[in-house]
Amino acid sequence: RKEVEQDPGPFNVPEGATVAFNCTYSNSASQSFFWYRQDCRKEPKLLMSVYSSGNEDGRFTAQLNRASQYISLLIRDSKLSDSATYLCVVNNTGGFKTIFGAGTRLFVKA
Amino acid sequence: ETGVTQTPRHLVMGMTNKKSLKCEQHLGHNAMYWYKQSAKKPLELMFVYSLEERVENNSVPSRFSPECPNSSHLFLHLHTLQPEDSALYLCASSQTGAPRTEAFFGQGTRLTVV
Repeated sequence: RKEVEQDPGPFNVPEGATVAFNCTYSNSASQSFFWYRQDCRKEPKLLMSVYSSGNEDGRFTAQLNRASQYISLLIRDSKLSDSATYLCVVNNTGGFKTIFGAGTRLFVKA
Repeated sequence: ETGVTQTPRHLVMGMTNKKSLKCEQHLGHNAMYWYKQSAKKPLELMFVYSLEERVENNSVPSRFSPECPNSSHLFLHLHTLQPEDSALYLCASSQTGAPRTEAFFGQGTRLTVV
């Protein structure tokens, strides 16, 4: 089993749609969690951290379920500019070991 | 964004060449990483330097050799590469043990081996 698993997609959605991604992780001792966004041929950039209580940043909502070992990302009112690959990231042991998921591709169409 | 800077941005090299990739971080972080991203493949962690310790992915061939002279600089020395080593090489840094441990990436070096 991979340490971090994501559905590769692609997810093709119309503008204005709501889309959700899930990510599962295998190490129950994982300590911190993030979603990154990577545009084509660019470096990954932090989208948001994922906190135990769940957190929201504008149209983006992240959730953590430690019991089931998964994190989720919800995007509301999708924009064309949201088209990218979304990477789930899990840190173990104080951030020393950072594991990236393979990413989920999202295409938002007009 | 100048937090993590990589040079060169693009590199074309022959299989018999020797070259080095450079990474510099201005964020005061204590850990630096090399990642490889091949076309349509996920990020692959190659090396980690954290404080005094180096951790490497055992699947990385010896033709890749990292060097970390201090906490702000990281090099990846390349020699006798193969065409399948063509990829985007990303450097990242983070602060281990801190409340926020997310990694910040450089813009990458796009390497083509001919």
